[in-house]
Amino acid sequence: DAKTTQPPSMDCAEGRAANLPCNHSTISGNEYVYWYRQIHSQGPQYIIHGLKNNETNEMASLIITEDRKSSTLILPHATLRDTAVYYCIVRPITGRRALTFGSGTRLQVQP
Amino acid sequence: GAVVSQHPSWVICKSGTSVKIECRSLDFQATTMFWYRQFPKQSLMLMATSNEGSKATYEQGVEKDKFLINHASLTLSTLTVTSAHPEDSSFYICSASLSGNTIYFGEGSWLTVV
Repeated sequence: DAKTTQPPSMDCAEGRAANLPCNHSTISGNEYVYWYRQIHSQGPQYIIHGLKNNETNEMASLIITEDRKSSTLILPHATLRDTAVYYCIVRPITGRRALTFGSGTRLQVQP
Repeated sequence: GAVVSQHPSWVICKSGTSVKIECRSLDFQATTMFWYRQFPKQSLMLMATSNEGSKATYEQGVEKDKFLINHASLTLSTLTVTSAHPEDSSFYICSASLSGNTIYFGEGSWLTVV
């Protein structure tokens, strides 16, 4: 699976948008980009995923560059409860392969 | 609501004993489930892939005789840590695919071996 690179940590002010970047320069055409987050002492929570088009749901927006080599997860109005480790993961479309977690980005939302 | 549930949420056991952790898919059938382990301040590490009706596939370095996985039904996979030792103390997490390609995770189970 393609490797991803994320900044180790980020801060964001409460109420502001949090933009979390992810590089996946070796992504192949049959791999989705997934985002999960893990709040302390809990299992990872699915946020959003996409292939090549931008995606939006009730939690976040996912912006994927045209060359698909990077993406940005956007939390439009961060709250204190969004403080977590955010993981960007690429995974093939087909098959039953597990998700491989990197180190993620620790997002601290400041009051 | 949760689509994957784990039990127990936390367990304390004595060194040398065995402990079982259950992972259930709620309202859907999961032919494949995945088990992870996470140590403090570290990321999730895949331990094994649990396949319904067949033997689990273990990742390199994970002892299959120590971490017994049983996936006897389409909604239940169990992980048994045999002859547990303090170094097995960790956060164990399971996951399953609901539909398409989205994978959901359980709440996790804290194991402390004393």
